[in-house]
Amino acid sequence: EDQVTQSPEALRLQEGESSSLNCSYTVSGLRGLFWYRQDPGKGPEFLFTLYSAGEEKEKERLKATLTKKESFLHITAPKPEDSATYLCAVQMAGFQKLVFGTGTRLLVSP
Amino acid sequence: NAGVTQTPKFQVLKTGQSMTLQCAQDMNHNSMYWYRQDPGMGLRLIYYSASEGTTDKGEVPNGYNVSRLNKREFSLRLESAAPSQTSVYFCASSVTGGYSNQPQHFGDGTRLSIL
Repeated sequence: EDQVTQSPEALRLQEGESSSLNCSYTVSGLRGLFWYRQDPGKGPEFLFTLYSAGEEKEKERLKATLTKKESFLHITAPKPEDSATYLCAVQMAGFQKLVFGTGTRLLVSP
Repeated sequence: NAGVTQTPKFQVLKTGQSMTLQCAQDMNHNSMYWYRQDPGMGLRLIYYSASEGTTDKGEVPNGYNVSRLNKREFSLRLESAAPSQTSVYFCASSVTGGYSNQPQHFGDGTRLSIL
């Protein structure tokens, strides 16, 4: 069965304290892995797409990496405005169906 | 930049009532999607439309119907609402469907409560 598991469920950091979020997946024929940010009361906001193992993408304090079994979202020197739920989704071979994880709720305290 | 617009933002229904959720995108995307998001569960696909004139079932289609009105608009209808359909509903769109791995872009959701 195709699955996407995100850990931890929740993470509390102090401002400036770097950390990583994990997304592990078991899908056949990965075509892409997507990271989204979701603020309370809002829809998911697209951050990155990773297509193949070894690929990395960066945006401001965020860096996403991909291996054959998992992806990491590294947050360097986070700020309170980085507080949000981060969602991971994978696209399997075939039609553009996304399988979403349940997300990691990140809280960055000043 | 409107992107994906969903209406209404909030709605309360009684069991058995019907309702249509509206979604429109202004990005000239070909593919559109309806998801539901429930606490402790990932976003689940209800229905999708790969292109104008086509619709297909997703993971949880029971109790719902959809209409791809034109390239811009994709509506979701609950014919006889049930408490189990209480959820947050998101519409999304992407440039292409099929075998493309383009990202999906989401609206801000409709929060639906069924009493």
